[in-house]
Amino acid sequence: DAGVIQSPRHEVTEMGQEVTLRCKPISGHNSLFWYRQTMMRGLELLIYFNNNVPIDDSGMPEDRFSAKMPNASFSTLKIQPSEPRDSAVYFCASSFWSSGGEQYFGPGTRLTVT
Amino acid sequence: AQSVTQLDSQVPVFEEAPVELRCNYSSSVSVYLFWYVQYPNQGLQLLLKYLSGSTLVKGINGFEAEFNKSQTSFHLRKPSVHISDTAEYFCAVSDNYGGATNKLIFGTGTLLAVQP
Repeated sequence: DAGVIQSPRHEVTEMGQEVTLRCKPISGHNSLFWYRQTMMRGLELLIYFNNNVPIDDSGMPEDRFSAKMPNASFSTLKIQPSEPRDSAVYFCASSFWSSGGEQYFGPGTRLTVT
Repeated sequence: AQSVTQLDSQVPVFEEAPVELRCNYSSSVSVYLFWYVQYPNQGLQLLLKYLSGSTLVKGINGFEAEFNKSQTSFHLRKPSVHISDTAEYFCAVSDNYGGATNKLIFGTGTLLAVQP
């Protein structure tokens, strides 16, 4: 099993540009999570999906952020327009949808907005 | 609402010494508890989890944790640490009231710095 795959691993962009982060969950998992990690705020849950349906997006910072999961094997997190304060490491994780399910994390995408 | 408190932001320790990383949680319902480890420039990896049964849980790399319901704690321990254990450790909680949710609430993390 290849694990959770995220792309790109690093992204450097200018303020105002659109950024799209991609995630491929582990095959068979039906829950997918997007997290953001910064030194100041630690690890924050942005949004999660069960069976491709968004369940809780209360962590999405503002309307500039959007996430989709068009099918069970792909999800995107988009920031438009990007701002310097969006600089962070973004993680995707997947799991089976059951109480107590272990989450498997991807390697993360390090986003730098200049 | 659930919350997790990791009292120590950083724990320095010498190689081969024992270590304990503290975690306390707050919840109005029964919980599941987890410890994750994050090595530099990597994602989080599960160390161990408590779902039910024995309150002493053993995980990978020689780590163990004990669930204490009365003290609402889930402290992580290792009897003898190695340089390679240097990493950030996160405690996490999810509720198990039967709502079939696996959303985790993470603590702020503890950096374990093992010195030779």
